[in-house]
Parts: sequence; structure tokens; C-alpha cells
Amino acid sequence: KQEVTQIPAALSVPEGENLVLNCSFTDSAIYNLQWFRQDPGKGLTSLLLIQSSQREQTSGRLNASLDKSSGRSTLYIAASQPGDSATYLCAVPPSGNTGKLIFGQGTTLQVKP
Amino acid sequence: NAGVTQTPKFRVLKTGQSMTLLCAQDMNHEYMYWYRQDPGMGLRLIHYSVGEGTTAKGEVPDGYNVSRLKKQNFLLGLESAAPSQTSVYFCASSYSIARSRAYEQYFGPGTRLTVT
Repeated sequence: KQEVTQIPAALSVPEGENLVLNCSFTDSAIYNLQWFRQDPGKGLTSLLLIQSSQREQTSGRLNASLDKSSGRSTLYIAASQPGDSATYLCAVPPSGNTGKLIFGQGTTLQVKP
Repeated sequence: NAGVTQTPKFRVLKTGQSMTLLCAQDMNHEYMYWYRQDPGMGLRLIHYSVGEGTTAKGEVPDGYNVSRLKKQNFLLGLESAAPSQTSVYFCASSYSIARSRAYEQYFGPGTRLTVT
């Protein structure tokens, strides 16, 4: 059964720092991994999707990498800003299935001015 | 494009009442989903649909019913609301990326439901 773990659960950093959020999953037979951002009281916003054939994806200051063999993904945020404060969730398909997603518990990030 | 929209945004029900949550998407996506999000439990899939006229159970389907009569709409029903159904409900839709088996999901803004 696919399980997704995100470490750390919470992170507080000063503005300008580069940071890495971690995501691990138990079943490496995945077709994609998706990173989301959730602001308090809001829905999830898709940040990056990495297909199984890709090693990384970049969008602005965000870079997500995928290592299927080790069951890990990282989300790198460069030059963090207070506006980056939010909960970041990663999600992968369940074992042997496409379309659906299993979510981690998320990492809540606070960037202090 | 409005993306994924949900109606209503907030609702308070008394135990035993019924209601329907409406999800609509204008992206022509085949797949649609209903999740609930609870503190400490994360996001859990209630029901999903792989196309118009089809539905399937997710991880926590008990107490909920769904219908997908039109491709763009996915309805979530609570026939007899219970306090345990107090939660934030999210709808999502997805499409398959060309020449791959990857799917990208998009979420609505959520419905905050309280059952007293």
C-alpha cells in the first residue's frame, strides 16, 4: 500500500534562505508525483508535476526532483520570501493505479521577514 | 477559465439533515474527485469518477453518495449528516498527460461543512 511521508512537518526560516522540503513514498512504481501549495483556508494549488520519465521540474524559484528508485522527492525553494509561507503537500498515485493521488501530511513553512 | 468551482463555500447542517455539494469544472477533464481534509488526517479520497456516468468508492465513502450525470459536474450528497462529517470538502479534476500515464490534478477552493 502506497504511503507518503513528508519531513519536516513544520519549518521556520528567515527570509532569503534557500530550503529543501522532503517527500518519501513506499511504492516506487509511480507514473508521476505532484507538489501542491495550500494557503490557510484555501484550496490546493498545483506547483509542479514530475512524470516518472523526468528527474526534475522547475518553475521560477521552485525546483522539484524525483528519485523513483529510492522513493524520494525534494522541493527546493530558492531565496525564500514571506509570501512563500504556506503548507506544501506532495502526492503520488496509489500502488498500481493512475489518476488517483495519495497525499502526504504536508510541511508547513513559515518565512520570517 | 474558472477552473474547478465548488458550491456552497460554507454550510452548517443539523444532524440528520441532507445536502448536496456541487463541483463544476470547465477544463473538459475526464476524472473528478471528492476529498475531505481533517486536522491530523490529511486529505482522504471519498469518491471519484473516471468519466460521465461512472463513479467509484475511494478511501472513506461511507455516508456519502455521488453522481456524475454531466462530464463537467460532480455532485457529493450527504443523506443524513453526522457530526463526524464536519470537515472541509475539496473537489478536484484531472487529465492524462499526452503519451504518458501521468495525471495532473487541479483543486477547487473547498466547502467548509459543520454538522451540529
